[in-house]
Amino acid sequence: SYVLTQPPSVSVAPGKTARITCGGNNIGSKSVHWYQQKPGQAPVLVIYYDSDRPSGIPERFSGSNSGNTATLTISRVEAGDEADYYCQVWDSSSDHLVVFGGGTKLTVL
Amino acid sequence: EVQLVESGGGLVKPGGSLRLSCAASGFTFSNAWMSWVRQAPGKGLEWVGRIKSKTDGGTTDYAAPVKGRFTISRDDSKNTLYLQMNSLKTEDTAVYYCTTDRGGGDAFDIWGQGTMVTVSS
Repeated sequence: SYVLTQPPSVSVAPGKTARITCGGNNIGSKSVHWYQQKPGQAPVLVIYYDSDRPSGIPERFSGSNSGNTATLTISRVEAGDEADYYCQVWDSSSDHLVVFGGGTKLTVL
Repeated sequence: EVQLVESGGGLVKPGGSLRLSCAASGFTFSNAWMSWVRQAPGKGLEWVGRIKSKTDGGTTDYAAPVKGRFTISRDDSKNTLYLQMNSLKTEDTAVYYCTTDRGGGDAFDIWGQGTMVTVSS
């Protein structure tokens, strides 16, 4: 089945840029979606179709996808960005049609 | 207001059954392909399964760990999604979320608040 690999944790100082990667075999050929989840809350979609932002999501959030790596970039990081982030794709060849990455804990120092 | 509200969670013994519900409002439920996603305590997100809209066949797909034990159904007259869970195992313990893409795409832009299912003797 298709596997998405994320780093377990990323740390960044306030005001700096955080990059969270999502690795998968030829992931550049798939559409990648990103979710933010804060403790005790449901996930929130922050990037869809690799690089689009839903309404209400700050422009500080951006995404890219090429080759074997998709990346969520958060510019000018704020304390409120501290959360778990998950990438997601659809894979019809997998026993899970929908595949999530293992998640990355973003810590704002 | 666009909303999904799950209910029906609780404590159940291994081998038991439980039915979860997800009430939808604020969007055209009958057109939506609906999914269930779960999250075990302290773990990541895991897709459980989905049901297409009736106009697209109303068919279901399931993740391998739940196939044959869980059944997803929908009642468009009540704007409600269901998850019937049978032969429950301790590893099914999780928060269960219903979710969908309002725009008919494949990103989940609406999520419920989740309902906790605990399978324990």
